[in-house]
Amino acid sequence: TQLLEQSPQFLSIQEGENLTVYCNSSSVFSSLQWYRQEPGEGPVLLVTVVTGGEVKKLKRLTFQFGDARKDSSLHITAAQPGDTGLYLCAGARGSGYSTLTFGKGTMLLVSP
Amino acid sequence: GAVVSQHPSWVICKSGTSVKIECRSLDFQATTMFWYRQFPKQSLMLMATSNEGSKATYEQGVEKDKFLINHASLTLSTLTVTSAHPEDSSFYICSASLPGYSYEQYFGPGTRLTVT
Repeated sequence: TQLLEQSPQFLSIQEGENLTVYCNSSSVFSSLQWYRQEPGEGPVLLVTVVTGGEVKKLKRLTFQFGDARKDSSLHITAAQPGDTGLYLCAGARGSGYSTLTFGKGTMLLVSP
Repeated sequence: GAVVSQHPSWVICKSGTSVKIECRSLDFQATTMFWYRQFPKQSLMLMATSNEGSKATYEQGVEKDKFLINHASLTLSTLTVTSAHPEDSSFYICSASLPGYSYEQYFGPGTRLTVT
């Protein structure tokens, strides 16, 4: 069972466009992380959201955690070629050390 | 801060041999480390959770006798792929949690294993 559904799976856009990636689940998560991964490298943590309704901004990236803590979105404004990569959402459940459930990822390609 | 390294970054081995991959937390002590496997164009699949000084917890379907994990210190965990076969070829990635921020994981750069 895929607990975290990410959409779209692939997105190809032109530089300067805006985009939104969605991460949805029927389960509640104690926190949700967004990562970006480039080919041949490990994922890099972008942000962690823990409170329902929370919005965090990282330059041109805006992350939102749903009120019920079951879904999240990543919005990129004025995308640049450097934003190209695989975006992964991952949810944590429970306290203490927590394993992460990863979505399948969204491959973003931003062309100049 | 929160830097995780892996060694080697890539390795080629012959079928039937064993390969050891190291994962180190460089600037923090990691009570818990995680090992993932990733196939091309796919997401990460958790293989096992490694706690310092205790036996690793393996995910369902992962052979513990084939993928040996040792977490002997707070900064080092190792994954040994024993009797490797071509189907074990994959991208192996480790991660570590910061003490007190157990829900955040910091990933190493990954190890590309090719079994011929």
